[in-house]
Amino acid sequence: GQSLEQPSEVTAVEGAIVQINCTYQTSGFYGLSWYQQHDGGAPTFLSYNALDGLEETGRFSSFLSRSDSYGYLLLQELQMKDSASYFCAVREEGGTGGFKTIFGAGTRLFVKA
Amino acid sequence: ETGVTQSPTHLIKTRGQQVTLRCSSQSGHNTVSWYQQALGQGPQFIFQYYREEENGRGNFPPRFSGLQFPNYSSELNVNALELDDSALYLCASSRKTDSNEQFFGPGTRLTVL
Repeated sequence: GQSLEQPSEVTAVEGAIVQINCTYQTSGFYGLSWYQQHDGGAPTFLSYNALDGLEETGRFSSFLSRSDSYGYLLLQELQMKDSASYFCAVREEGGTGGFKTIFGAGTRLFVKA
Repeated sequence: ETGVTQSPTHLIKTRGQQVTLRCSSQSGHNTVSWYQQALGQGPQFIFQYYREEENGRGNFPPRFSGLQFPNYSSELNVNALELDDSALYLCASSRKTDSNEQFFGPGTRLTVL
């Protein structure tokens, strides 16, 4: 079956760089996405990788290695507002011609002053 | 703000009752997915709707059902509520079924007593 593994918690200091890893196991693979969710808020899309390599969007970058079934989210120049939960998610076929998105359990990032 | 709205914000029901949750998708989006998110967990895919048809389903029993209307808004219906159904229910809209970027609504917090 499908599964995603990511660390449950990461703590870092303001201004630092942090990497959140994600390994996945799916039947069929159509890309790895990352979402951010603040307490009490809705998940918001951060980035997506379909092909191997690094995608950069401002302070956030995401990497994918399909041969290793592995990806990571890199957050640079950490700010207090980056304290949130981060989810990796994979898209796979939904069995009725559509797709379904499987989310990991999330990594809670604490940014300290 | 994503433009995706959900109602109601909070809801309290008792075991065995039925509930209907509503979602209005972002303008121009024809695909809606529903997720269940328990506290401290990642969103769990319930199903996806496209052109008023279910287009992918996760591991949820048939008492979870849905509808999509011609204006792409959607409903999630849950029958015979159980205590474990207490969760945040999120809907997410996207431009098409294979979009990797989904836009989430604020969610409906359901409590089953």
